[in-house]
Amino acid sequence: AQTVTQSQPEMSVQEAETVTLSCTYDTSESDYYLFWYKQPPSRQMILVIRQEAYKQQNATENRFSVNFQKAAKSFSLKISDSQLGDAAMYFCAYRSIKRGANSKLTFGKGITLSVRP
Amino acid sequence: DAGVTQSPTHLIKTRGQQVTLRCSPKSGHDTVSWYQQALGQGPQFIFQYYEEEERQRGNFPDRFSGHQFPNYSSELNVNALLLGDSALYLCASSWDRDTDTQYFGPGTRLTVL
Repeated sequence: AQTVTQSQPEMSVQEAETVTLSCTYDTSESDYYLFWYKQPPSRQMILVIRQEAYKQQNATENRFSVNFQKAAKSFSLKISDSQLGDAAMYFCAYRSIKRGANSKLTFGKGITLSVRP
Repeated sequence: DAGVTQSPTHLIKTRGQQVTLRCSPKSGHDTVSWYQQALGQGPQFIFQYYEEEERQRGNFPDRFSGHQFPNYSSELNVNALLLGDSALYLCASSWDRDTDTQYFGPGTRLTVL
């Protein structure tokens, strides 16, 4: 079974600065998807970024980018130019690439990010 | 384009009661997954519905059951509620069960007293 670990329960960043959120995972599969989701106090889980394991290039979405290290099974999220609206809980998630029966998301415990003005 | 919607927003029940939560998927989506999120934890997969059938199930007892209707909306039913069932219940939809990205609704907060 796959597991996702987010070992930092909380992080804080100054507005306009850069912060990196860590995530490691364990799997025996060679191909899979990885995600970062953001959950603000409103509770709505919002997709931030996704990465296909078979792609060498790290995914980027505006101020958000990932550092995907497949051999190390590491998937960190970098937020540049942090904004007050980035304050939320962030979840790392894994999904098998296998068709049919394995489309569930496996989540880490999450990390609470606060942004200081 | 309406996103994933869930009802009700909040719900308070007592132990032993039964509850039904509802989810309407994003337009064009035919697959619905349900997750339970305990306070301060990551979501845990309950089950997934596709073509009106339960296709995959997580490690949850039979007290948790569901249904998917022809219009792709879905219900989650929980019988014989326990205090430990208190959680945020999230619904996620996708346009195909093999599509990588799931879109989440705002959740239903269930409190069991």
